[in-house]
Amino acid sequence: QSALTQPPSASGSPGQSVTISCTGTSSDVGGYNYVSWYQQHPGKAPKLMIYEVSKRPSGVPDRFSGSKSGNTASLTVSGLQAEDEADYYCSSYAGSNNLGVFGTGTKVTVL
Amino acid sequence: QLQLQESGPGLVKPSETLSLTCTVSGGSISSSSYYWGWIRQPPGKGLEWIGSIFYSGNTYYNPSLKSRVTISIDTSKNQFSLKLSSVTAADTAVYYCARHNHVSYLWGQGTLVTVSS
Repeated sequence: QSALTQPPSASGSPGQSVTISCTGTSSDVGGYNYVSWYQQHPGKAPKLMIYEVSKRPSGVPDRFSGSKSGNTASLTVSGLQAEDEADYYCSSYAGSNNLGVFGTGTKVTVL
Repeated sequence: QLQLQESGPGLVKPSETLSLTCTVSGGSISSSSYYWGWIRQPPGKGLEWIGSIFYSGNTYYNPSLKSRVTISIDTSKNQFSLKLSSVTAADTAVYYCARHNHVSYLWGQGTLVTVSS
C-alpha cells in the first residue's frame, strides 16, 4: 500500500501555469487510466477536479487539465487564480485488492 | 444528489475504541457500482485510506491498520460504520467517509476525532 509520490509544493504567479506530478508504478498509475485529482482547501473536504486521467466533472473550470505518461500522471492549472491556492492529491486505481491509493499531496501557492 | 455525513464522538480516550457512522442520503448504499470507504487525515498531513466495504459486506482494509479496524454496513438504515480499536494519539485525525469506485471518490464533510485523556 505505497503512496504515490508528489512534490510537496508548487507555486506560480496569477495568470501563470503550474504542473504537479504524481508518480506511481506499473501496478497503479501506469497500469490503468483511472487517475483522479482532488483539490482541498483548508478545513474542507477534498473535491474532485479530474477523473480518468483527463476528464473534468461538470463545473470544474477548463483551466484544470490532466495527462499521463508511463507511471507518472500530471495535473496542470493554467491561468492561476487566487482561489486555486490549495492542497492537491492524486489517486489511482491499483486493482481490486489494493483500494485507496493516494498521493502524498502538493501545496500550490499563488504568489 | 448523493450526500454523506459522518457522526460520532469527537473525543476518544487512549486505548479505547473509536466509533463513527456515515449516513448516506440521496441514493442507495446497496448500489453494486460502489465501495463505501473511510479515509483519515491527521492534522497537517496527507490522506490515508483506512478501509472500504461493498454492499454485499465484503471488506477491504489497509494492511497497516487491519488488526484494529472493523467496517460494517447496514443497508436498512443506509449507513456504514467504522470501529478502530486501541487508539493512541497517532489516531487523531479528520475522518472522512466516501463513496468510491475505480474512477473517483465522493467525500463527506469529515469529522475531527481527537484521542486524548
